[in-house]
Amino acid sequence: DTEVTQTPKHLVMGMTNKKSLKCEQHMGHRAMYWYKQKAKKPPELMFVYSYEKLSINESVPSRFSPECPNSSLLNLHLHALQPEDSALYLCASSLDVSDRQETQYFGPGTRLLVL
Amino acid sequence: AQSVAQPEDQVNVAEGNPLTVKCTYSVSGNPYLFWYVQYPNRGLQFLLKYITGDNLVKGSYGFEAEFNKSQTSFHLKKPSALVSDSALYFCAVSPVAGANNLFFGTGTRLTVIP
Repeated sequence: DTEVTQTPKHLVMGMTNKKSLKCEQHMGHRAMYWYKQKAKKPPELMFVYSYEKLSINESVPSRFSPECPNSSLLNLHLHALQPEDSALYLCASSLDVSDRQETQYFGPGTRLLVL
Repeated sequence: AQSVAQPEDQVNVAEGNPLTVKCTYSVSGNPYLFWYVQYPNRGLQFLLKYITGDNLVKGSYGFEAEFNKSQTSFHLKKPSALVSDSALYFCAVSPVAGANNLFFGTGTRLTVIP
């Protein structure tokens, strides 16, 4: 099973709201990733977690706050977002972050609209 | 530094014809290359990857890709296109060193015409 699940599928929020995106995998993967994808653009890496510790933060604004409560779950907490943050947010996982041969498996994404 | 380029934003092909989606790479060292497909309003699905060994890599849904070191290319191919193959295709490279974070090309939209 190579399934990564994400909830919710769609999210509309105002600029003063606080919301969270959730990602889950049960493949025993120890690396998990958040990507942001704007329309008709490639995914851009935001965060990487390795063994539940943040290993890469690609200079993402602090209004995005990742959290990895355990090896199967990854959250992205959102606060005071801007309309330009509207995008598809993709979660991915791989067996190990240090082995670049490993395939990343992506979830279906959460489509976020910030009003 | 490492990067991939997808020179065609859009590829149109008739159903039943062979298809090719192009990708070239720029990597110092041995490249690890991936192809993903994205259907509308969906996440990315892994198709295939080249790590080492045979230059012809076979993947999901009848797709294959040929690694060509002299031309620094990794083109995606399928002998007979289906209408259901219409989607956005991304080529990606894994960095030579450091963590396994992928660098994606700009994507190619494939349209298979019935």
